[in-house]
Amino acid sequence: EAGVTQFPSHSVIEKGQTVTLRCDPISGHDNLYWYRRVMGKEIKFLLHFVKESKQDESGMPNNRFLAERTGGTYSTLKVQPAELEDSGVYFCASSPYRGRNTDTQYFGPGTRLTVL
Amino acid sequence: GDSVTQMEGPVTLSEEACLTINCTYTATGYPSLFWYVQYPGEGLQLLLKATKADDKGSNKGFEATYRKETTSFHLEKGSVQVSDSAVYFCALRGGSYIPTFGRGTSLIVHP
Repeated sequence: EAGVTQFPSHSVIEKGQTVTLRCDPISGHDNLYWYRRVMGKEIKFLLHFVKESKQDESGMPNNRFLAERTGGTYSTLKVQPAELEDSGVYFCASSPYRGRNTDTQYFGPGTRLTVL
Repeated sequence: GDSVTQMEGPVTLSEEACLTINCTYTATGYPSLFWYVQYPGEGLQLLLKATKADDKGSNKGFEATYRKETTSFHLEKGSVQVSDSAVYFCALRGGSYIPTFGRGTSLIVHP
């Protein structure tokens, strides 16, 4: 079974540019989460989708961040325009809905974003 | 709010040495506690967990005991291997399904 995949693995952009990160959850997982780790700090929650609906977006830092999950499959996280403080590693995770192990989130490898 | 504090790294050890990574937490109620591991180039994986006081989580030779009296969940392993080199994250989950993570501790094991 394929795990959670994220693309790209690395992205280097200049301040003011736009970047779109993609996450493909494990097939059949209704729950999809985005997290961010700024260098050397905690992993922070950004938002949670259940299928295509945003369940909780309380962690989104500001309106420069837009997350979508069209059709309840893969998700994208767009940063527009990017600022220096957006640099970090963006993790995606998924979990089954009402599954036996609903408390286990399966994480992707992350996308390392560097804003210059 | 909830918070997790874990020891700063990197922790550098020789193969077969003993490992302890300290983790303490602040939370209301009775959270579940977790250790995640991130190997190079991979995603976070759940290493072990404990859901109530005095529970011991264990996996792959790693252990951690939920100590409510000291609000701690230290990660231990008696003999580390080079393949244990990774970043280890302590986390808790209280009333919310969203985990609160520590800053991560990098472990480097030399042959």
